[in-house]
Amino acid sequence: AQRVTQPEKLLSVFKGAPVELKCNYSYSGSPELFWYVQYSRQRLQLLLRHISRESIKGFTADLNKGETSFHLKKPFAQEEDSAMYYCALSGSKYGNKLVFGAGTILRVKS
Amino acid sequence: EAEVAQSPRYKITEKSQAVAFWCDPISGHATLYWYRQILGQGPELLVQFQDESVVDDSQLPKDRFSAERLKGVDSTLKIQPAELGDSAMYLCASSLLGLAGYQETQYFGPGTRLLVL
Repeated sequence: AQRVTQPEKLLSVFKGAPVELKCNYSYSGSPELFWYVQYSRQRLQLLLRHISRESIKGFTADLNKGETSFHLKKPFAQEEDSAMYYCALSGSKYGNKLVFGAGTILRVKS
Repeated sequence: EAEVAQSPRYKITEKSQAVAFWCDPISGHATLYWYRQILGQGPELLVQFQDESVVDDSQLPKDRFSAERLKGVDSTLKIQPAELGDSAMYLCASSLLGLAGYQETQYFGPGTRLLVL
């Protein structure tokens, strides 16, 4: 089965500090990994996907197949980064449907 | 900018009653998804449509839930009868039709929060 684990329910950091939101997955094969974000009073939206290999709003994520991880990182947190972050995966074995983790609340304190 | 629309935004009902949620996807999006999100968890796919056809409803409790997308545009999700455990956020999303093996970006609606008393 495919599964996504986000071990932290809440991550609280100070503005300017580095951020790392952890995501581990279980999938036998080559999945595609995503990070979705939900800001306060806004809709769930795609932040980035691993195949794009791009930095969005200063965030990057590298797929580590050996450790089955897809951690989201940002070197210097900003207050506007405060949101709920969901890691998700899709794979052809399960019809490419998205499977989400439980999410991590990121709180950036001033 | 085009967005996915959902209604109602909130619904309070008593158990054993019937409820229905509506979703209007972004124009031109062939794929439509219904998710259920229980408090403290991530969204879980209930049903996926490609045009008017169901592609995946493996997690839909078919004894009480039904979904349709008759003309391949908007969609309705129904629960009958509602149970206490159905209290959750129901999210609709839509996407372009992706190539085989490629997950197109999903665009989410604001959701319908259901409370069953």
